[in-house]
Formats: sequence, structure tokens, C-alpha cells
Amino acid sequence: AQSVTQLDSQVPVFEEAPVELRCNYSSSVSVYLFWYVQYPNQGLQLLLKYLSGSTLVKGINGFEAEFNKSQTSFHLRKPSVHISDTAEYFCAVSAITGNQFYFGTGTSLTVIP
Amino acid sequence: GAGVSQSPRYKVTKRGQDVALRCDPISGHVSLYWYRQALGQGPEFLTYFNYEAQQDKSGLPNDRFSAERPEGSISTLTIQRTEQRDSAMYRCASSKTGRETQYFGPGTRLLVL
Repeated sequence: AQSVTQLDSQVPVFEEAPVELRCNYSSSVSVYLFWYVQYPNQGLQLLLKYLSGSTLVKGINGFEAEFNKSQTSFHLRKPSVHISDTAEYFCAVSAITGNQFYFGTGTSLTVIP
Repeated sequence: GAGVSQSPRYKVTKRGQDVALRCDPISGHVSLYWYRQALGQGPEFLTYFNYEAQQDKSGLPNDRFSAERPEGSISTLTIQRTEQRDSAMYRCASSKTGRETQYFGPGTRLLVL
């Protein structure tokens, strides 16, 4: 089975500052990796995903993530955050041969004006 | 359809009652997933279907939980003899195929008194 660890449960950051949300995964097989965002009172929305190819993945709203196989990480970054980025962010992993998704416990990003 | 829909959005029930939660996936999506999300946690896999076939129910916590998707479209998650520990957000997601991006519904918040 796979597992995901999101090391930071809460990340406060000032508006227009850069941010990195950390995600590490564990798996004995090759995986797909995902970042989802959950705005208050809404469902989860896909930000970006890594399936294969380039290890730097760009997603919506200016977010990007880099897959690092040697460090088993898939950290999410944004060079300049906006107030509207305040939300809960979930990292998820799925084996390329499987169908189950395993989610981390989430990181609450709060952008401070 | 426009997106994944779930009903009811909120359900309050008394301990010992049965509840049925409905998920209407995006039209044409083959795979349908059920998750449970406790407060402050990431979604936890319960079960998933390809068409009408239940492929994996390893995440269902006990035999009080069951799910069906009889015509390969709408799915119902049923919890019998509810207990207070069943209180959580129950989320449904669908995807074109098993390894594609999952699209999440808004969830059903269940409160067992």
C-alpha cells in the first residue's frame, strides 16, 4: 500500500510571499501523485498531477510541484500567494497499477493580508 | 452532467437509524469512489466501482456499511444501525476510468446523535 505524509498541518504566509507545502510519500511501486485544494464548504478540486514525464508539473492558479523520486517528495509551490489561496491542500498518491487513492491529512494554508 | 452531486448535503440522525447517502457521478464516468473524511483529516478510501461492479470494498469499516451502483451510474452508500463514531463527511468522486483524475462532489455531512 501507499501512504502520504504532509508535515505541516498549518502554514500561515503573508500575501504576495512565496509558499511551499510539503508532501512525502511511501510506496514500493511506481506512483501517480496529486495535489487537491478544498475551499471552505466546497468539494476537493484538482490542482495538478504527476503521471509521467517532466518532474516539474504546473497546475491551476499559478501552483507547481516537483516530483523527486530519490526523496519521495512532491512539494507544492507558488511564488506569490493571494488571499484567495486560503484553503486546505491535500496531497494524494495512487499506485500506477492500482485504483485506490491515499490522501494526506492536509495542510491548511492561511494567507495574511 | 455539470459535476458530481451528492444528496443530502446534511443528514442528522439518531443512533441506531439507517441512512442512505446518494452520489450522482459525472455522466459517462466509469469509476466511482466513496470516501469518508473526519474533521481535520484527509479523505479515507471506503470503496469503489467500475460500472456496476464493486471492485474494492476493503475500506468499508465494518458490515454495517454497504454500497451499490446497480445501473453503473448513481450509487448509494448505506450505513445501518448508525453509531456516533459514523459522524463524518462522506465524499463521492468519479473518474473517466480508474486511473484518471477524480472529480469530487460536495459531500454529505452526517451527524449521528
